[in-house]
Formats: sequence, C-alpha cells, structure tokens
Amino acid sequence: QVQLVESGGGLVKPGGSLRLSCVASGFTFSDYYMTWIRQAPGKGLEWISYISTGGSNIYSADSVKGRFTISRDNAKNSLFLQLNSLRAEDTAVYYCARELRRTSGTYDNWGQGTLVTVSS
Amino acid sequence: QSALTQPPSVSGSPGQSVTISCTGTSSDIGSYDRVSWYQQPPGTAPKLMIYGVSNRPSGVPDRFSGSKSGNTASLTISGLQAEDEADYYCSALTSSLTVVFGGGTKLAVL
Repeated sequence: QVQLVESGGGLVKPGGSLRLSCVASGFTFSDYYMTWIRQAPGKGLEWISYISTGGSNIYSADSVKGRFTISRDNAKNSLFLQLNSLRAEDTAVYYCARELRRTSGTYDNWGQGTLVTVSS
Repeated sequence: QSALTQPPSVSGSPGQSVTISCTGTSSDIGSYDRVSWYQQPPGTAPKLMIYGVSNRPSGVPDRFSGSKSGNTASLTISGLQAEDEADYYCSALTSSLTVVFGGGTKLAVL
C-alpha cells in the first residue's frame, strides 16, 4: 500500500537550516506531483510547496518563498524540503503528501509528519 | 492568500446531521471545482474525505457528502457517529495554482 515516511525534523535555532526527507513506497513515485504541508502546534493546515513529476514546475507559498526549497529524486523515490533562515513561526509538524492528480489540489495520501521546532 | 473561513466548532448528537461551511473567494472556491475536505482525529495525519467538491474516495462512508454554491463549499455528515469526532479542514485550488486551507472546524459528537 502507499506509504510516505518523513524524517529530518528536530530542534534548530532561529536562523538555522534543516533538510526534511520523505521516502515513498507502494506507488510509482515519478508519476505524481508531491507537496509539503505544515501544521503549527494547535493550529490549522498550511500549504507550503508542490513540485511536478519531473521537478520542472514548483509553486511555493509566499510565507516561505526564498527560504524553503522543494526538490525530488525520482530514482530514490524521495521528496525533500530544504528549510533555511528558520524562524520561530516555522515551528510545526511538516507533512509530505501525494497529489491525487496534477493540479487537483487534492492530497490522497499523507505521511505521519516530522516535527520541526525553532527555538533558541 | 488568506485562509478559507470555517466555523471553529460544530456539534451534534449521534444519528443527527451536521453541516460545516467553508467560505472563500472568486479566486479560490469560486474559480474551480477543486474543493477537498479532510478529517483529522487528534494526533493523526489528515485523511481525505471529499475531493472535487462532492466525490468520495473509496472507503469513505456515503454519510459524508460535499457541495458548493458560489464561493462557499459545504461538508455534510449525516447519521453522526462517535467516530466522526475530529477536526475537519476544507481546501481549494486557487487561480494562482497554489492551495489554501480553511482554519479547521472541531466536530463534537455529544
């Protein structure tokens, strides 16, 4: 069955960097757009960024543009999110999710999430 | 892009029906029929319940239904069950090809 497993979260100081990974299995990873979505503690969901199947199309939320970079390695069935210049307000659980169909805005499978805590 | 507007909480008794609204703009909900709904019990990842305004993925009970009128989408849960207690989020594709979520609605089954 479809599995998405995130890793790479942890405690980082303001201004620091972190790289999140998401390993996919149970489906043909290269056929699907992939997305990162985050959820601050006790708050709602916030869409971060998505990447097309080949990686040529990327869209990101204004809140992370210039700081976060999404990428993928189809040979390794992996999705990444590079987080730079981290701020306290970036503290959240970060989920990777598979998009049902390209530009559908619908996510039919989610990982369990990885927690990023930004604090001095 | 501003979040979609949902009521913070709704409640109902077992067997009753509840409806959760999700209000956006002509740049998101009003632009496309690409509205989705997710269920998130505490401590778990969101689960897709409705996509394309009114379509149910395989395995989602037909007690869950979705609709849209203008810039407002709705999720209706009929025959409420205790297991339906969770947070519910709507989302919509925007005209900028980004995605916006609602603030979430906590459903209490009394």
